[in-house]
Amino acid sequence: ETGVTQTPRHLVMGMTNKKSLKCEQHLGHNAMYWYKQSAKKPLELMFVYNFKEQTENNSVPSRFSPECPNSSHLFLHLHTLQPEDSALYLCASSPGALQYTSGNTIYFGEGSWLTVV
Amino acid sequence: QKEVEQNSGPLSVPEGAIASLNCTYSDRGSQSFFWYRQYSGKSPELIMFIYSNGDKEDGRFTAQLNKASQYVSLLIRDSQPSDSATYLCAVPNQGGKLIFGQGTELSVKP
Repeated sequence: ETGVTQTPRHLVMGMTNKKSLKCEQHLGHNAMYWYKQSAKKPLELMFVYNFKEQTENNSVPSRFSPECPNSSHLFLHLHTLQPEDSALYLCASSPGALQYTSGNTIYFGEGSWLTVV
Repeated sequence: QKEVEQNSGPLSVPEGAIASLNCTYSDRGSQSFFWYRQYSGKSPELIMFIYSNGDKEDGRFTAQLNKASQYVSLLIRDSQPSDSATYLCAVPNQGGKLIFGQGTELSVKP
C-alpha cells in the first residue's frame, strides 16, 4: 500500500474510445502528478497539479486531458489515442509541487497499464 | 547531454556481492538526489535520498554523492536475489522538475 491508489490497473481501449484513469492519494499531499513510462525510456512528466491548480503541462497532446477536482483526486481523460500511447501511466503525489528539499519527493501509485489497439 | 544519465545494464552480480550503480547529472545547481527501485511490473518506490557530499548509509544500501564530479552512486552490499530490479536515479533540475534517468537493471544471481 503506497498511499496512492490508481484505477483501473489495466485498460485496453480502441483508438476511438473514451476512457479515464483515476488516482486518489491518502497522504495529505498538496501536489499530484501524471507520469508516462514507456519501455526502455525514462519516466516522462506529463502534468503537475499544486493545490488542484495545473502548474505544468509538459507539451502533452490534447488527447490526454487531466482533471483535478481537489488535492486528493486526479483523473486522466483519454480519447482518440494512438497505439504509441500504450504505456504504464503513473500517478504520484508529493507534499509540495516540485520541491525536493530535505528528502521531500514524490510517491507513486501502482500504475495503470494502458494498451491501445 | 542528457540531464540524468545511467547505464541501462543489465548489471549482473552474484548473490552476496556488492552491486554498484552509477548516475551522472548535468545541472550543477541540483541539491537533492534520489534513488528509486522498480520491480518488474510495479511502480517505482523511494529507497534513498542524499543531499550532502559523501556517503549516506541505510542498512545494506549506501548512497555516495560527489557534487564536484556530478555523480551519485548507489552501493548494495550483500546483494540478494530480491534486489533484482531496475534502479532509477532522480535529480531535480533548476526548473524544479524531478528528472529521472532511464534506470539500471540489476540482476542478482543465486
